[in-house]
Amino acid sequence: EAGVAQSPRYKIIEKRQSVAFWCNPISGHATLYWYQQILGQGPKLLIQFQNNGVVDDSQLPKDRFSAERLKGVDSTLKIQPAKLEDSAVYLCASSLDRVVYGYTFGSGTRLTVV
Amino acid sequence: TQLLEQSPQFLSIQEGENLTVYCNSSSVFSSLQWYRQEPGEGPVLLVTVVTGGEVKKLKRLTFQFGDARKDSSLHITAAQTGDTGLYLCAGDSISGGGADGLTFGKGTHLIIQP
Repeated sequence: EAGVAQSPRYKIIEKRQSVAFWCNPISGHATLYWYQQILGQGPKLLIQFQNNGVVDDSQLPKDRFSAERLKGVDSTLKIQPAKLEDSAVYLCASSLDRVVYGYTFGSGTRLTVV
Repeated sequence: TQLLEQSPQFLSIQEGENLTVYCNSSSVFSSLQWYRQEPGEGPVLLVTVVTGGEVKKLKRLTFQFGDARKDSSLHITAAQTGDTGLYLCAGDSISGGGADGLTFGKGTHLIIQP
């Protein structure tokens, strides 16, 4: 089966600019997650979707980050305006049954803010 | 906030040696997962442990979940260069309402030298 697709793979922007990341989860996976992984650290959950509804966005910096999953399939994560500390890898994951199968992660988007 | 402490942070050993990495928390988790991440890729699930005291084996890898479900270990026997990577433990943080994002540790960077 096809994996979780993410694009772009790399992005370099200047601080205060905007950026958007795209994720296409595995077909049939109702649950989708966005994680932020800063260099040298483990992934940190930003937001969780169940179909097209937000289940948990408690750790999403809502003053600058937004995410949507309009049709319950693809998702976009946006940062506006970006700060230097947003430099990280942004990972998308989807899950059919998290306990049994775990997450399937995409390869991530590496964002550098200069 | 549930925290997972992983140790050691970095480990470099010779091929053929044995090693153990640890994942500890003051919180109880109903399940814990181990992932392996290679550079430029997303984490890949290795195993899920659910029952306190559970031991699971995956070829040369042995995973143990502590009796109190607060800690876990990963033991690799006769390490190979292909085992090189970042090993992440992750505990579920089910908080109701369907929110079930994983809490990740910072990981153990493992290098197996030929």
